[in-house]
Amino acid sequence: DSGVTQTPKHLITATGQRVTLRCSPRSGDLSVYWYQQSLDQGLQFLIQYYNGEERAKGNILERFSAQQFPDLHSELNLSSLELGDSALYFCASSGDRANQPQHFGDGTRLSIL
Amino acid sequence: AQSVTQPDIHITVSEGASLELRCNYSYGATPYLFWYVQSPGQGLQLLLKYFSGDTLVQGIKGFEAEFKRSQSSFNLRKPSVHWSDAAEYFCAVGASDSGGSNYKLTFGKGTLLTVNP
Repeated sequence: DSGVTQTPKHLITATGQRVTLRCSPRSGDLSVYWYQQSLDQGLQFLIQYYNGEERAKGNILERFSAQQFPDLHSELNLSSLELGDSALYFCASSGDRANQPQHFGDGTRLSIL
Repeated sequence: AQSVTQPDIHITVSEGASLELRCNYSYGATPYLFWYVQSPGQGLQLLLKYFSGDTLVQGIKGFEAEFKRSQSSFNLRKPSVHWSDAAEYFCAVGASDSGGSNYKLTFGKGTLLTVNP
């Protein structure tokens, strides 16, 4: 158990819809990262939050957004969903000190019908 | 921009045989390097990490990896593979735009390991 909790585990929805993925980091971790794993693109970094503020951005679509709340949990919002958004979405967290690895949750599998 | 290449998409070994999974990276500075393992339907589990210091790092489950700067490589090894090692293995390089302790990971495409009894 990595200590990172992601809900829900599975999500099935239709094109054009909006969904919210939730992540609770390990206790004490201030940084939260979101990654997308798809068959064609592999594992890609989307966005990082640190203590409530956006820290770094990767290949995140404009239809996607994220936030980190005062209790440090994070949500990834995906809107106007397309078939190509079907993927496994991972959240990871890390501590603030140097040389801290990222620990991953079990992911949310999103299926767009 | 950083990148990671895992040349082998799929490797099959017999149980008890030795294993080496290759990883080459491209990054302008001293990299943070990682190996993660993903079992079917599971998340990513950290096997080992390199930040600095000793270039031979030990990880969990009997795995080790060696950082070779001259070859831009960070190959994963295990002397004797167990059937439970069958999974997909990902090499990753960590890079920070701000130079701080937080970094984003760039992953290779993964190597799928099959273990024959």
